[in-house]
Amino acid sequence: QQQVKQSPQSLIVQKGGIPIINCAYENTAFDYFPWYQQFPGKGPALLIAIRPDVSEKKEGRFTISFNKSAKQFSLHIMDSQPGDSATYFCAASIGLTGANNLFFGTGTRLTVIP
Amino acid sequence: DGGITQSPKYLFRKEGQNVTLSCEQNLNHDAMYWYRQDPGQGLRLIYYSQIVNDFQKGDIAEGYSVSREKKESFPLTVTSAQKNPTAFYLCASSIGLAGRADTQYFGPGTRLTVL
Repeated sequence: QQQVKQSPQSLIVQKGGIPIINCAYENTAFDYFPWYQQFPGKGPALLIAIRPDVSEKKEGRFTISFNKSAKQFSLHIMDSQPGDSATYFCAASIGLTGANNLFFGTGTRLTVIP
Repeated sequence: DGGITQSPKYLFRKEGQNVTLSCEQNLNHDAMYWYRQDPGQGLRLIYYSQIVNDFQKGDIAEGYSVSREKKESFPLTVTSAQKNPTAFYLCASSIGLAGRADTQYFGPGTRLTVL
């Protein structure tokens, strides 16, 4: 059973557009929600992360919006660039006993057209 | 340079053979993890270790084994019992904060192909 559901599976936007990737979860014990960016043949790299005590976090052109009551969170990429073309994964984690196991969404392949 | 290294980058194996993937980190992290990545399925946890000489099964541990004899090393063995081992394998590490989730950092991955 998928603990974190991610959509869409793929996304194509023009340069300068604002792609939005959505994730939903059921387990209210999750207390850490990172987003990872992965280029082909490379390991995922942490992009931005949020904890449930805030509703929004911005880092540069990347923004996470978090809706605790709806159990949803999303990634917005402002002024998208061709270099942002990659696969993006949302994830969720429970910090109980330091186990810190990440549950990943299935990924969104983003293509930014010049 | 600080970080996580995985070797080899590409690995080919014949059916029926065991193969070991290397993962080393010099971040002084207590926790280490192994994930498997298949197209369209995201990353799935194979094994994780919170401290030296201790490790736990993840969601898809069958056909895999690990050891954690040193803090900086967490090798993964893909045994002949793994039915479909062709995949991209990713190692990660984190500080390991008890009772609070912390950031996992990933290595560059090893692509295993069974011939």
